[in-house]
Amino acid sequence: DQQVKQNSPSLSVQEGRISILNCDYTNSMFDYFLWYKKYPAEGPTFLISISSIKDKNEDGRFTVFLNKSAKHLSLHIVPSQPGDSAVYFCAASLDSGGYQKVTFGTGTKLQVIP
Amino acid sequence: ETGVTQTPRHLVMGMTNKKSLKCEQHLGHNAMYWYKQSAKKPLELMFVYNFKEQTENNSVPSRFSPECPNSSHLFLHLHTLQPEDSALYLCASSQGRGDYEQYFGPGTRLTVT
Repeated sequence: DQQVKQNSPSLSVQEGRISILNCDYTNSMFDYFLWYKKYPAEGPTFLISISSIKDKNEDGRFTVFLNKSAKHLSLHIVPSQPGDSAVYFCAASLDSGGYQKVTFGTGTKLQVIP
Repeated sequence: ETGVTQTPRHLVMGMTNKKSLKCEQHLGHNAMYWYKQSAKKPLELMFVYNFKEQTENNSVPSRFSPECPNSSHLFLHLHTLQPEDSALYLCASSQGRGDYEQYFGPGTRLTVT
């Protein structure tokens, strides 16, 4: 049972336009949501996060929106740049006593076309 | 060295071999993790160590054996693996309790022949 789902395996966007990556989850107990970015031959790197008590968090060109009633979150990148081309993982976190147990989605490969 | 490092970066082993993956974090973190990433699947959490104590074993077969001698080092000992164990193995660390951000190493690409 996949608790975090990214239904679009890939996305292509023109440089300068908005990229919207989507993510759905099933466990209403998740208390924190994160986006990671991964380049080939590198490990994922943290990009942006949002607490379950908020509905929006913005950091420069990146904004994450959370819709708890729909159990849906999205990552907006605007304007998109060629360097943003990477695989983006959505993740959801749950307090597991001594640490945060993070569940990842399968990833969406973003290609920004110059 | 900064961040999280993993060695080797690539490993090819036979099903009867014994090998070990190494992870080292230079961030002063207290929690360390092993993940497995197979093609077209999400990252699967394998093991978690918090302050050197194993706090999670996510139903991982015994042919994978973790070791955490201190908060900076994490090993994954491999023996009698199967071809379906071929995957990217990622190590991560975090500050520990209450810390949502995990810092990942570059991974070890394992191929079992």
